Amino acid sequence: AQRVTQPEKLLSVFKGAPVELKCNYSYSGSPELFWYVQYSRQRLQLLLRHISRESIKGFTADLNKGETSFHLKKPFAQEEDSAMYYCALGGSRLTFGEGTQLTVNP
Amino acid sequence: DGGITQSPKYLFRKEGQNVTLSCEQNLNHDAMYWYRQDPGQGLRLIYYSQIVNDFQKGDIAEGYSVSREKKESFPLTVTSAQKNPTAFYLCASRAPDLNNEQFFGPGTRLTVL
Repeated sequence: AQRVTQPEKLLSVFKGAPVELKCNYSYSGSPELFWYVQYSRQRLQLLLRHISRESIKGFTADLNKGETSFHLKKPFAQEEDSAMYYCALGGSRLTFGEGTQLTVNP
Repeated sequence: DGGITQSPKYLFRKEGQNVTLSCEQNLNHDAMYWYRQDPGQGLRLIYYSQIVNDFQKGDIAEGYSVSREKKESFPLTVTSAQKNPTAFYLCASRAPDLNNEQFFGPGTRLTVL
């Protein structure tokens, strides 16, 4: 069975500090991984997907198959990054992690 | 906003009553999904439909039912058999031509009184 774990429910950093949101997965095949974000009073939306190898809003995520991880990173956090972040695994059917609430303090 | 709409935004129901949550999309997507979002538990899949007139149970289907008679619509019924129905419900559809990105509706908050 596929599983996604986000070990931190809450994460608080100061503006300008680096931030890393952890995501570990369990999957027997070749994984398809995503990060979704939910800003306050907005819809859940895709932030980035591992297959695109892109940087969105300064965030990057690298798939590490050896460690079965897909951590989300940003070198300099901004206040507008404060949101709930979900890691998700799958293709036609997604499995979501529990989510990490990121707060960036001024 | 457009794409996926859910109604109503807030819904109250008395214990023992069935209630139906609406989800409509105009994105021409074949696949649609219902999730339940609870604090600390992330999103859990209730039901999904890959195509019209077909649907499958997700991880927590007990106490719920769905139908998919039209491509645009995927209503969810929360029955009286659902033991803990108070939650935030999210509907989504999937774009296979965008590397399986799922697009989400604004959600319906159901409260059982």
